[in-house]
Amino acid sequence: GAGVSQSPSNKVTEKGKDVELRCDPISGHTALYWYRQRLGQGLEFLIYFQGNSAPDKSGLPSDRFSAERTGESVSTLTIQRTQQEDSAVYLCASSPGWGEGGGNEQFFGPGTRLTVL
Amino acid sequence: AQSVTQLGSHVSVSEGALVLLRCNYSSSVPPYLFWYVQYPNQGLQLLLKYTSAATLVKGINGFEAEFKKSETSFHLTKPSAHMRDAAEYFCAVSSRMDSSYKLIFGSGTRLLVRP
Repeated sequence: GAGVSQSPSNKVTEKGKDVELRCDPISGHTALYWYRQRLGQGLEFLIYFQGNSAPDKSGLPSDRFSAERTGESVSTLTIQRTQQEDSAVYLCASSPGWGEGGGNEQFFGPGTRLTVL
Repeated sequence: AQSVTQLGSHVSVSEGALVLLRCNYSSSVPPYLFWYVQYPNQGLQLLLKYTSAATLVKGINGFEAEFKKSETSFHLTKPSAHMRDAAEYFCAVSSRMDSSYKLIFGSGTRLLVRP
C-alpha cells in the first residue's frame, strides 16, 4: 500500500521568502507529526495533529512556523520569512492514533530537504 | 522531561562482527522505546520497539534490543554485521503521560561496516 509521501523532495529558496511543505499521510491514520532533522543531528519534534486539530505545537521554533491539516488527511507546514537556520530536512510521520497509543509505530515519509540561501 | 543519549556518533565494525549501538534514556514514567534505521537517501524505518511486554525485543534484519530498567538502557545488537547494515540508527522514546506520543530522538549513530 501507499506510504507517507511528501512534496517537494527538495526546495531551494532565498532568505526571506515563504515556503510550503506538503505531507500526505497513510490513509486512515488520524495522528500526524512533523519533525525537523538538521545536518548531523537527530530529529526534533515540531507539531502533532490528531485529526484536524493540533493539540501539541510545542516544538514549533518560532511564530514564523505554522501548520494545518484538512480532511484528516493532507497537512502543510508553512515557514514564513525563511532564515538560513531553517535549512534542514523536514519529515512527516503518521500513525493510526488508536490501539497501542504510544506504542504505535510512526511511519515516516522521505522528507523535504529545504535549503535557504 | 524525557531525553535520549546515544553514545558514539560513529561506530565501525568488520563484516561478520558483533554490532552494539548504545542508547540510554531518561524518563520519569515507564517509556516506550524505539530503534529506527535511516538508509542513505531514504526515510526512517522502524527496526523494533519496546512497549512493556518482553524486555528482549526482536526486530527486523536480525537486530534485537534489551530493555534494562536498572540501567535505563535500550542497546541495539546484531550478532553478525552485513554490509547492507551500513546506515544511521536512531533511538527514540515516547511517554505514556504525553497524549501526543511524540518521539524524542537521540542524535543518531552512523554504523560503518568494513569488508
